[in-house]
Amino acid sequence: AQSVTQPDIHITVSEGASLELRCNYSYGATPYLFWYVQSPGQGLQLLLKYFSGDTLVQGIKGFEAEFKRSQSSFNLRKPSVHWSDAAEYFCAGMNYGGSQGNLIFGKGTKLSVKP
Amino acid sequence: DTGVSQDPRHKITKRGQNVTFRCDPISEHNRLYWYRQTLGQGPEFLTYFQNEAQLEKSRLLSDRFSAERPKGSFSTLEIQRTEQGDSAMYLCASSLYGTDEQYFGPGTRLTVT
Repeated sequence: AQSVTQPDIHITVSEGASLELRCNYSYGATPYLFWYVQSPGQGLQLLLKYFSGDTLVQGIKGFEAEFKRSQSSFNLRKPSVHWSDAAEYFCAGMNYGGSQGNLIFGKGTKLSVKP
Repeated sequence: DTGVSQDPRHKITKRGQNVTFRCDPISEHNRLYWYRQTLGQGPEFLTYFQNEAQLEKSRLLSDRFSAERPKGSFSTLEIQRTEQGDSAMYLCASSLYGTDEQYFGPGTRLTVT
């Protein structure tokens, strides 16, 4: 079955430090993959997506992610974290088992930023 | 604001009562999705519309749940005879046919006491 796994429930980084959030997927074919961010009281905001082509994708707010087929991973990175990045981050894959592509989400990683 | 809107933002109800939530998608979007998110979990798919047609329903959507999108614009999600296990955030998303980007609303947080 298609699935998305985020191994880290909670990560704390210092402001200005680099960030990497892990995401692993289990799909039979090349998946469509997404990263969303959810701040308290806010809806999910799309950071970036991967469909095909260049395996390093750039997103909003200075985030990037790299698709690695050999590792079944789609990790999210940011070179320098800002306090405003504190939020919950969700990796998602598009479900091809359904007819119209609903999203399958990981359980999320909560990011805390130390001053 | 031309994003996805949901109403109400919060709902507290007693077990056994019926509740209805509304979602207004981005105006030109013809696809509309409902998801449910419980504490500590990612959103889980409930159901999907293309225009007014409900094309897919998750096994999570029990008989007490019903969703409509009568004119292909806004959608409603009704839960009958609510149970404590229905307490969750209910998220609506919309997308444009031919694209794969779903845009989410702020959600309706349901608390069943």
